[in-house]
Amino acid sequence: AQKVTQAQTEISVVEKEDVTLDCVYETRDTTYYLFWYKQPPSGELVFLIRRNSFDEQNEISGRYSWNFQKSTSSFNFTITASQVVDSAVYFCAADSGYSTLTFGKGTMLLVSP
Amino acid sequence: GAVVSQHPSRVICKSGTSVKIECRSLDFQATTMFWYRQFPKQSLMLMATSNEGSKATYEQGVEKDKFLINHASLTLSTLTVTSAHPEDSSFYICSANVPGQGTAYNEQFFGPGTRLTVL
Repeated sequence: AQKVTQAQTEISVVEKEDVTLDCVYETRDTTYYLFWYKQPPSGELVFLIRRNSFDEQNEISGRYSWNFQKSTSSFNFTITASQVVDSAVYFCAADSGYSTLTFGKGTMLLVSP
Repeated sequence: GAVVSQHPSRVICKSGTSVKIECRSLDFQATTMFWYRQFPKQSLMLMATSNEGSKATYEQGVEKDKFLINHASLTLSTLTVTSAHPEDSSFYICSANVPGQGTAYNEQFFGPGTRLTVL
């Protein structure tokens, strides 16, 4: 079983600020997968990224970047130059490969103009 | 990517009635589908895993007799909330698996969710 902790319940920033959402995971498995999802007010989950435990390379996709560090069991997500459209709840999740996702409690990001 | 639909997107019902929610994989066959529940401002909690042609596997604390799951075909799973009560009001989300090739990860695609309100 995994456990995912998102300590930040809510973050408020002003447009164009950079913001980092923290995610700490716990697992006994050597093979596991980590995810980030975005949930806008409409409720639909939007897949952002999947990382497997053997790939610690950081990833950048446009204004989004992810920092995976096994040494600290963290998989943090940074939005650069935030925009109002980034306002949503962001979930970090983990899976041992059996497709049963364990979600963190989510971080609500509010970006104001 | 693969598309998963849910119907209805929103339902309001009276206490004591039963509500059926459908989850369909539109362009792929899903041997496994999952049902999650999300209360307001909370996380998604897995309720059950549904395998085509067999009984669903429920997570601890989820009442099998209250939340009936049927996965009769490779593209359709249904969740029926029987004798719904106000405390069952929630956002119900399904997801479906696309089996990976070999050791590749079994990708999971989420439906848009169904908001249930029980009066």
